[in-house]
Amino acid sequence: SAVISQKPSRDICQRGTSLTIQCQVDSQVTMMFWYRQQPGQSLTLIATANQGSEATYESGFVIDKFPISRPNLTFSTLTVSNMSPEDSSIYLCSVGRTGAGNTIYFGEGSWLTVV
Amino acid sequence: AQTVTQSQPEMSVQEAETVTLSCTYDTSESDYYLFWYKQPPSRQMILVIRQEAYKQQNATENRFSVNFQKAAKSFSLKISDSQLGDAAMYFCACRNNNAGNMLTFGGGTRLMVKP
Repeated sequence: SAVISQKPSRDICQRGTSLTIQCQVDSQVTMMFWYRQQPGQSLTLIATANQGSEATYESGFVIDKFPISRPNLTFSTLTVSNMSPEDSSIYLCSVGRTGAGNTIYFGEGSWLTVV
Repeated sequence: AQTVTQSQPEMSVQEAETVTLSCTYDTSESDYYLFWYKQPPSRQMILVIRQEAYKQQNATENRFSVNFQKAAKSFSLKISDSQLGDAAMYFCACRNNNAGNMLTFGGGTRLMVKP
C-alpha cells in the first residue's frame, strides 16, 4: 500500500484568500491526481500532475484558479486561489500503483470551508 | 469518455443481513478496472474491492463480493453479514488502463446499517 499524507487536514478560509494543500507520498510515483468532492457529492478530477511538466486540467478547472506544483516524484501541491464559498470542498490527492496490486490510493483529504 | 452510475442514493440494511449496491458503467475501452471505495465520516477513501475487466471470476474480499456482468456493464457490490462499521458512503469507480490511474466515480450510495 501507499502512504499519502495531506496537509492541512481541515481549514477555515476567508473569502478572497488562497490556500495551498500539500500531498506527500512515501515512494516515487509518476502521476499524482487531485480530486474535489463538494458537499454531498462524488469526486471530480481536477487535474493530473506529472513531475517535470505542467499539470493537465479537466474541463471546468483552470490553472489560474487551481495552480499545481510537482517538484519531485513524491510531492505535489494544489493551491485554491481567490476562494469563494463555492470552493468549500474536500480536496483529495491520489496516486496509483501498477503491477499486481494495481490499486489507487487516496490521501486523507483536506476539508476546506470558505467563509 | 466513461461514465459510472449508481442509481441508489441511499440504502438501508439490518445488522447481520446482506445488502447489494448497484453500479453500471459505460466505457469504450476493453482494458479497464472497476473499484468500490468506502468513505466513512472520516472522509478517508478506503478501497473495498477491485475487479479486472479481463477476469471473468467475480472478486471477493471477506464479506464483500461483486457481481461483474461485463456484457451488461454492471458491477454490483454485495455486503454479507453487515456490520455497524459498514455504514458509509460507497463509491463505484472505473479506471481506463490507457488513461493512467485516473478514476471516474459514480455519484455514491449512502449505506445505513440498523442495529
